[in-house]
Amino acid sequence: GENVEQHPSTLSVQEGDSAVIKCTYSDSASNYFPWYKQELGKRPQLIIDIRSNVGEKKDQRIAVTLNKTAKHFSLHITETQPEDSAVYFCAASLNYGGATNKLIFGTGTLLAVQP
Amino acid sequence: GAVVSQHPSWVICKSGTSVKIECRSLDFQATTMFWYRQFPKQSLMLMATSNEGSKATYEQGVEKDKFLINHASLTLSTLTVTSAHPEDSSFYICSARTSGGVEQYFGPGTRLTVT
Repeated sequence: GENVEQHPSTLSVQEGDSAVIKCTYSDSASNYFPWYKQELGKRPQLIIDIRSNVGEKKDQRIAVTLNKTAKHFSLHITETQPEDSAVYFCAASLNYGGATNKLIFGTGTLLAVQP
Repeated sequence: GAVVSQHPSWVICKSGTSVKIECRSLDFQATTMFWYRQFPKQSLMLMATSNEGSKATYEQGVEKDKFLINHASLTLSTLTVTSAHPEDSSFYICSARTSGGVEQYFGPGTRLTVT
């Protein structure tokens, strides 16, 4: 089955700096890669996702890159702000529109943006 | 749109009793719902996948007789933790997906404490 590794487990940056979180996956058939932000005690919020037919996607200060050959994908946050502080999870899913497209989550990265 | 609710948001129960958690899709039909468990400072671990009208598919290591899942309608799935023990104390989160959809919409989670 799919296995997703995520690094680093904690990341501290100064406000305004960039943050990069990296994930690797094991199943080459996985084709959907979402990133979630989770604040303490809250639900995960989708912040950006990418499908395997795209190498990069950007939404304002957030971007995701995907390297299918190496089976890794990364989240890039630029101009970080204190409100970006949270736990970020990557995930991978094999999506074929079938009954089960389960998400396998990475271990999470605690991002702390220091003002 | 794409709102998922959970009830209750938190519950305290005594060891040996059963607890039912509801997951509802409020503004869309969810052919597939997922149940996750999240221990403090850990990632989301998929417990089971439920499809409307059929039996749930449990992940390896999850006791199907202990965690009963029912997905009787396109807007409601329930998770019953039977004979709860303190080690079952956790944050339980559901998510829902439409037929053929890719994105999962997460509920706000239920904090279960077993005393």
